[in-house]
Amino acid sequence: SQQGEEDPQALSIQEGENATMNCSYKTSINNLQWYRQNSGRGLVHLILIRSNEREKHSGRLRVTLDTSKKSSSLLITASRAADTASYFCATALNTGGFKTIFGAGTRLFVKA
Amino acid sequence: KAGVTQTPRYLIKTRGQQVTLSCSPISGHRSVSWYQQTPGQGLQFLFEYFSETQRNKGNFPGRFSGRQFSNSRSEMNVSTLELGDSALYLCASSWTSGGTDTQYFGPGTRLTVL
Repeated sequence: SQQGEEDPQALSIQEGENATMNCSYKTSINNLQWYRQNSGRGLVHLILIRSNEREKHSGRLRVTLDTSKKSSSLLITASRAADTASYFCATALNTGGFKTIFGAGTRLFVKA
Repeated sequence: KAGVTQTPRYLIKTRGQQVTLSCSPISGHRSVSWYQQTPGQGLQFLFEYFSETQRNKGNFPGRFSGRQFSNSRSEMNVSTLELGDSALYLCASSWTSGGTDTQYFGPGTRLTVL
């Protein structure tokens, strides 16, 4: 199975509400990254959090990392219709070189 | 600064043919990684190149290969195409290793195998 698993698989909320997505992984990581993808296009990088960091903010985004539980969460505050997209977490496994493993993603739908 | 570009954007091939996809990274980036995205398997890592050397490879058959040129541009080739190779192929570039650094993705090449 994949290294990263997102939860929930799909999320539907009203504009203005907060959206929380979770990611769990299996092995030790160097860092964890969150990406957004709109309708089968390329991925857009949101945040990179390193294994020695616990929380990071970027605008309306807040990411936490709990290495003891091997989990991370992405919080989008005051969501907008434009936030409608799929969100993926990605972890880097050190296998001699680094291999980036993506989770299955959370599909977020923000209703206007 | 120009982003990551991929050509072609769309491609239709038939089973048994081969295909070459191209990726031009952001200027100055030396690492290029390739991914396959399908509805069933999600995003899967194909391989990463850094300074013309393949540094890591995913679990794909030998029909999938790649290379990187001295200007960091990369190509991936799929030989003897199968229906299951239909997918969105994404490349990403980064300053250093794709695993330790932010990756910037191109728009992808949508490959359809008939």
